[in-house]
Amino acid sequence: EAGVAQSPRYKIIEKRQSVAFWCNPISGHATLYWYQQILGQGPKLLIQFQNNGVVDDSQLPKDRFSAERLKGVDSTLKIQPAKLEDSAVYLCASSSSGTVPSFGPGTRLTVL
Amino acid sequence: AQSVTQPDIHITVSEGASLELRCNYSYGATPYLFWYVQSPGQGLQLLLKYFSGDTLVQGIKGFEAEFKRSQSSFNLRKPSVHWSDAAEYFCAVGPPRNSGNTPLVFGKGTRLSVIA
Repeated sequence: EAGVAQSPRYKIIEKRQSVAFWCNPISGHATLYWYQQILGQGPKLLIQFQNNGVVDDSQLPKDRFSAERLKGVDSTLKIQPAKLEDSAVYLCASSSSGTVPSFGPGTRLTVL
Repeated sequence: AQSVTQPDIHITVSEGASLELRCNYSYGATPYLFWYVQSPGQGLQLLLKYFSGDTLVQGIKGFEAEFKRSQSSFNLRKPSVHWSDAAEYFCAVGPPRNSGNTPLVFGKGTRLSVIA
């Protein structure tokens, strides 16, 4: 089966600019996660979707980050405006009930 | 709250030598336990997982891990390291079965370097 797809793989922007990341989960996976991985740290959950509803967004900086999962399939994560500390790898993962999450390759964001 | 501690930030081993990466967790019950590997520029690849039963679990690429309830540990081992094993290794915990798709909590990772 095809894995989790993410794009772009790399993005460089200046602070205060906007950026969006896209994730296409494994077909049939109802649960989708966005993680932020800062250099030297483990992934930290930003938001979790179950189909097109938000299950947990308690760690999402809602003043600048937003995410949606229209139609319960693809998802986008947006940052507006970006700060220097947003430089990180953004990982998307998906799972179905009882399965271990599968991770995409990630998008590496550099904010200058 | 659940947490994962990987005490070693960076480990260097010689090719062919044995390896043990440490992982300790804090959780209210016996969680699901995972080890992932991340090569530079790549996503996370699952090495192995423990759900229940035999406390010694085998994974891909010759890795194994042992769950020790009394020590709240889930250490990763490999008897003979290859240069291609150089990567970042993450231990993670998840909720027990039937807890829904609760997200994994990761440790900060251990970077493995392999020297000739």
